[in-house]
Amino acid sequence: QQQVKQSPQSLIVQKGGISIINCAYENTAFDYFPWYQQFPGKGPALLIAIRPDVSEKKEGRFTISFNKSAKQFSLHIMDSQPGDSATYFCAASKDGNKLVFGAGTILRVKS
Amino acid sequence: GAVVSQHPSRVICKSGTSVKIECRSLDFQATTMFWYRQFPKQSLMLMATSNEGSKATYEQGVEKDKFLINHASLTLSTLTVTSAHPEDSSFYICSARPGGTGELFFGEGSRLTVL
Repeated sequence: QQQVKQSPQSLIVQKGGISIINCAYENTAFDYFPWYQQFPGKGPALLIAIRPDVSEKKEGRFTISFNKSAKQFSLHIMDSQPGDSATYFCAASKDGNKLVFGAGTILRVKS
Repeated sequence: GAVVSQHPSRVICKSGTSVKIECRSLDFQATTMFWYRQFPKQSLMLMATSNEGSKATYEQGVEKDKFLINHASLTLSTLTVTSAHPEDSSFYICSARPGGTGELFFGEGSRLTVL
């Protein structure tokens, strides 16, 4: 059972554009929703995370939008740069443990 | 941020041998560590939760006799892939949380290739 559905599978964005990645979850017990960035051959690194008591969180160029009623959350990368090219994973968990990951989105930012 | 270190980063072994991968929390103590597995171009799948001083908790479908986990101290968990076969070739990643709460930090991963 895929508990976190992520889309799109891949994304190509021009430098300076906005990258948007979406995720939907099923388990209403989830209360922690992080986004991870992973470069080839490396472990994932936390970008930004949100809890369901807020609808939006912004850190620099990265913004999470959270819709509790729709059980959806998304990552927006503003002013996308070639260095942002990586694989992005959304995840969800209860109490921050046992993260369930989405399938991943391969982002390519064209210069 | 906190540092989680894995060793080795890459290992190649012959089919039938056993391989041990170490996961260390370098600047914090971790009573719980998590082991994930990632196939090429796929997502991370939780294999097991490693608990210091007690038995690991394995996810459904993960063979505990195949993937032996030992969490002997508050800074070290080991994953041993026993009698490895080519289908065990994968990227194994561990993670841990300082103080058991807050951000989950991941190691750099260990790529296992079984010939």
